Amino acid sequence: NAGVTQTPKFRVLKTGQSMTLLCAQDMNHEYMYWYRQDPGMGLRLIHYSVGEGTTAKGEVPDGYNVSRLKKQNFLLGLESAAPSQTSVYFCATKYQTRDTGELFFGEGSRLTVL
Amino acid sequence: GQNIDQPTEMTATEGAIVQINCTYQTSGFNGLFWYQQHAGEAPTFLSYNVLDGLEEKGRFSSFLSRSKGYSYLLLKELQMKDSASYLCAVMDSNYQLIWGAGTKLIIKP
Repeated sequence: NAGVTQTPKFRVLKTGQSMTLLCAQDMNHEYMYWYRQDPGMGLRLIHYSVGEGTTAKGEVPDGYNVSRLKKQNFLLGLESAAPSQTSVYFCATKYQTRDTGELFFGEGSRLTVL
Repeated sequence: GQNIDQPTEMTATEGAIVQINCTYQTSGFNGLFWYQQHAGEAPTFLSYNVLDGLEEKGRFSSFLSRSKGYSYLLLKELQMKDSASYLCAVMDSNYQLIWGAGTKLIIKP
């Protein structure tokens, strides 16, 4: 029972390159989220999904795209990476109900854009 | 705008008690959460408060005053493994979490 798994854990990109981060969960959770975490700032929501086939924008969606073709997977794409996207990215999941809010996080993916 | 404020860093001694404060201004309120995050690791859930008062869970307690927009996390009998960042987050009227920048807690022997 792996919980929430993110791949890759580390990646270095050059400006303009593209990449995809994969989040996979085996907890049968409906809600999935992509956050970025930067020094001195709180976690910021990039995109989220409330179920298979649905996605929505969060606080900082520009420069990112997402897809949720399967319930267990939530992909985060960077079409043309920029140095400002250097960050630690966390995927998180939640069961279903809106009001409990306990999130289960993946281990994080550290991305550096040169 | 929405805002969560917590101290950037605190230092405490092993075996002592420490209180980490969090104040918030958000569009609506559907609960306040505390998460623990060790360096280089993912955040993990500690506590949830939606009603005023104190919630106790072992060595950790969390307090909420909705009228004051204030919460604190109380850690007793501090251990070296408690060295971590503590994140305060508020669920707003849209059931989205607004996160504070976190408080880095340093425990000294």
